[in-house]
Amino acid sequence: EPEVTQTPSHQVTQMGQEVILRCVPISNHLYFYWYRQILGQKVEFLVSFYNNEISEKSEIFDDQFSVERPDGSNFTLKIRSTKLEDSAMYFCASRGYGELFFGEGSRLTVL
Amino acid sequence: GESVGLHLPTLSVQEGDNSIINCAYSNSASDYFIWYKQESGKGPQFIIDIRSNMDKRQGQRVTVLLNKTVKHLSLQIAATQPGDSAVYFCAENAPLTGNQFYFGTGTSLTVIP
Repeated sequence: EPEVTQTPSHQVTQMGQEVILRCVPISNHLYFYWYRQILGQKVEFLVSFYNNEISEKSEIFDDQFSVERPDGSNFTLKIRSTKLEDSAMYFCASRGYGELFFGEGSRLTVL
Repeated sequence: GESVGLHLPTLSVQEGDNSIINCAYSNSASDYFIWYKQESGKGPQFIIDIRSNMDKRQGQRVTVLLNKTVKHLSLQIAATQPGDSAVYFCAENAPLTGNQFYFGTGTSLTVIP
């Protein structure tokens, strides 16, 4: 069964460092997303990506965040200068015309 | 001590009983809804979806009911098993306002053996 894969599963970084989280969406999907979930809280939308550009972004997705689809398979989320409050689970998701499928997440810990 | 994070609604059921998890959605223009199950430390897992042209949809051991009049969604799990213990989220999508899905707060289901 096709699935969304994410790497790394866990990353620990120092405040102010750059982090790149990687995702391989399901191959024939058209829409790609990043969500985050702070421990114990609900899943929050960050950004959606369609046709090689950002289609929507939330107020959380400020200038410190960027997304890229560098080739035909990977979809990355970059945080330029991490803050303590960026510590969370980051989920990549992809969608064809219906269901939204999530990866297992990347846990980011900022010290 | 200081409380951090949201206090999820909780539901405890005996193994073998039926569970009903409720969700109130916010956007009357939403026309596609998904229920997700999230186990600790894992990503949301698709359970069942429903479009607004339906009011009921059944899967294996699960049924989703949609009441558009009161903007309410429910997930019924038949013969609940210990493996059903998880947090359950509903998510809504309104295409006219974008492609993103908005998630509810979630309900923590505990199945008592």
